[in-house]
Amino acid sequence: GDSVTQMEGPVTLSEEAFLTINCTYTATGYPSLFWYVQYPGEGLQLLLKATKADDKGSNKGFEATYRKETTSFHLEKGSVQVSDSAVYFCAKDSSYKLIFGSGTRLLVRP
Amino acid sequence: DAGITQSPRHKVTETGTPVTLRCHQTENHRYMYWYRQDPGHGLRLIHYSYGVKDTDKGEVSDGYSVSRSKTEDFLLTLESATSSQTSVYFCAISESILRRDEQYFGPGTRLTVT
Repeated sequence: GDSVTQMEGPVTLSEEAFLTINCTYTATGYPSLFWYVQYPGEGLQLLLKATKADDKGSNKGFEATYRKETTSFHLEKGSVQVSDSAVYFCAKDSSYKLIFGSGTRLLVRP
Repeated sequence: DAGITQSPRHKVTETGTPVTLRCHQTENHRYMYWYRQDPGHGLRLIHYSYGVKDTDKGEVSDGYSVSRSKTEDFLLTLESATSSQTSVYFCAISESILRRDEQYFGPGTRLTVT
């Protein structure tokens, strides 16, 4: 069935380090792909999205490219900050709903 | 920020009691969703609504019911709460699935069933 798989966390990085969080999905058609971020005590916020193959979503220094051939949508950032500490969720749409990965916690140390 | 509120924000209840969580939106969006968030599971869809009085089940609907009598309100009811329903519950809204719009999330309700 439909699924989204993310790398398990937590991911711990020092400030200014390079970030990659892997995400793969099952391919049924051509879903839109999303990254959501959840800061402590808050709901999820959309970080970026891509709606077709080879699209690159970007926001706040984060990027992810829709790779149809590898069914992946990995999240990257060149230089993380302490304020990026949060839980990141990859998701794909499936007609009326979103299918979420299990989330990856990122902790950035000063 | 999308106008979504959830009430209550925190609730502790005993096993076997009924519980109703409320989601209220001011965006006039057609689609509304209830998710639960548990460690290691991400978010799982409980029920969703595609219009007033139009609802359907998600992947983890057992033990839950919903109602939507007005565009702005979507209620989630646990008829007889169990400890396995201890979770954080999120409401979300979406304007249109045809445009593949993102969903906007409320702040969440932390429910503890003792």
